[in-house]
Amino acid sequence: EVQLVESGGGLIQPGGSLRLSCAASGFTVSINYMSWVRQAPGKGLEWVSVIYSGGSTYYADSVKGRFTISRDNSKNTLYLQMNSLRAEDTAVYYCARKEGFGEPVRYWGQGTLVTVSS
Amino acid sequence: QPVLTQSSSASASLGSSVKLTCTLSSGHSSYIIAWHQQQPGKAPRYLMKLEGSGGYNKGSGVPDRFSGSSSGADRYLTISNLQSEDEADYYCETWDSNTPLVFGGGTKLTVL
Repeated sequence: EVQLVESGGGLIQPGGSLRLSCAASGFTVSINYMSWVRQAPGKGLEWVSVIYSGGSTYYADSVKGRFTISRDNSKNTLYLQMNSLRAEDTAVYYCARKEGFGEPVRYWGQGTLVTVSS
Repeated sequence: QPVLTQSSSASASLGSSVKLTCTLSSGHSSYIIAWHQQQPGKAPRYLMKLEGSGGYNKGSGVPDRFSGSSSGADRYLTISNLQSEDEADYYCETWDSNTPLVFGGGTKLTVL
């Protein structure tokens, strides 16, 4: 059974850093396209970042230069390092799995809440 | 990059049918999309992959009441025999070689 379990969210002051984790089971992270998608309170879904099976990474303009996506193949875990956090980064962060290009997101994690506030 | 447009809200009566629309931007009318459901307080759930031909492939456990269709740049999600648990936000998703993921703004469905 495919499972994605996020952790690492919490309350953080503006300018601070946080690392989110997404532990995967039932499949291999390194051969899939893994994304982070966020949802601000009362708002829609917003793509944040992706790491492709080949290791290429891409970011939304709103987080470029501040966030870094990575994976640990030995732990089958996806990460999102978030630096220089702003109030507008407040959201539930979901990890999401695509099986490859041309395929949609078929699996979502349960999400972890990040609140940026002083 | 592709842009997906959805109506912000829709409503229909219990037991009736509703058709939600996701419209692709100019130049992207052939794109494949996906539909996702997000019930209140829950994570999104994948419903189906929908092609420009109207063919669709549903996720595991998605009831037969959910179906998809296409016409030009419009992609539709039809829910028949509406149940109370269908009250949710519905998002469409697409992508291309330059845009890893893009979502529509979502449609809030109210079951009356």
